[in-house]
Amino acid sequence: DIVMTQTPLSLSVTPGQPASISCKSSQSLPQSRGETYLYWFLQKSGQSPQLLIYDVSNRFSGVPDRFSGSGSGTDFTLKISRVEAEDVGVYYCMQSTQLPWTFGQGTKVEIK
Amino acid sequence: EVQLVESGGGLVQPGGSLRLSCAASGFTFSNYWMSWVRQVPGRGLEWMANIKEDGSVKYYLDSVKGRFTISRDNAQDSVYLQMSSLRAEDTAVYYCAKIFYYRSGGYSPDYWGQGTVVTVSS
Repeated sequence: DIVMTQTPLSLSVTPGQPASISCKSSQSLPQSRGETYLYWFLQKSGQSPQLLIYDVSNRFSGVPDRFSGSGSGTDFTLKISRVEAEDVGVYYCMQSTQLPWTFGQGTKVEIK
Repeated sequence: EVQLVESGGGLVQPGGSLRLSCAASGFTFSNYWMSWVRQVPGRGLEWMANIKEDGSVKYYLDSVKGRFTISRDNAQDSVYLQMSSLRAEDTAVYYCAKIFYYRSGGYSPDYWGQGTVVTVSS
């Protein structure tokens, strides 16, 4: 199975400041048709996960442009350009290159 | 608006069985793969199973293969997870999710239900 490792596990950010979360896979996520199947989700407190980013860097419908994803191979990053109060929660990366789908352990983002 | 509503969770003894249901609305259910993902309290997410649009193809996490069965009824816009031989470590919130296939060939959950709680304990 592909192991997804996120760092840091928690992050405290001042509103308006940037934030960055790293996700590393234990195996290179091979590209198919030029794409890598790496996704980012946000789970707000008491809610189910919501899709933020698909195929490494594409924002899902309705996701603000302060969210961006990047990376390739084994190293991926989610960036929030200016954190807002509504961005608090736990962020997960996920790969669907190979079954079983596997998720990172989550990064908890809090507001200072 | 896409809606997924899970039901059927509860308290069950080790070795027991439970059937989870997920009622879908707001999209053409028969056109999409569906998935079950669970979350152990206070911990991360774990993929369980996927089922193809017509139910002809199913994939499972190895640790639940032979114990859990995913199925669907397109006439009822519903997907199910039959769980048997339940263990304490199966205690979790179980989410159903709609799967979207991107033009890239990749796929992922795009919408999730609110989850149903399963507790396995004597």
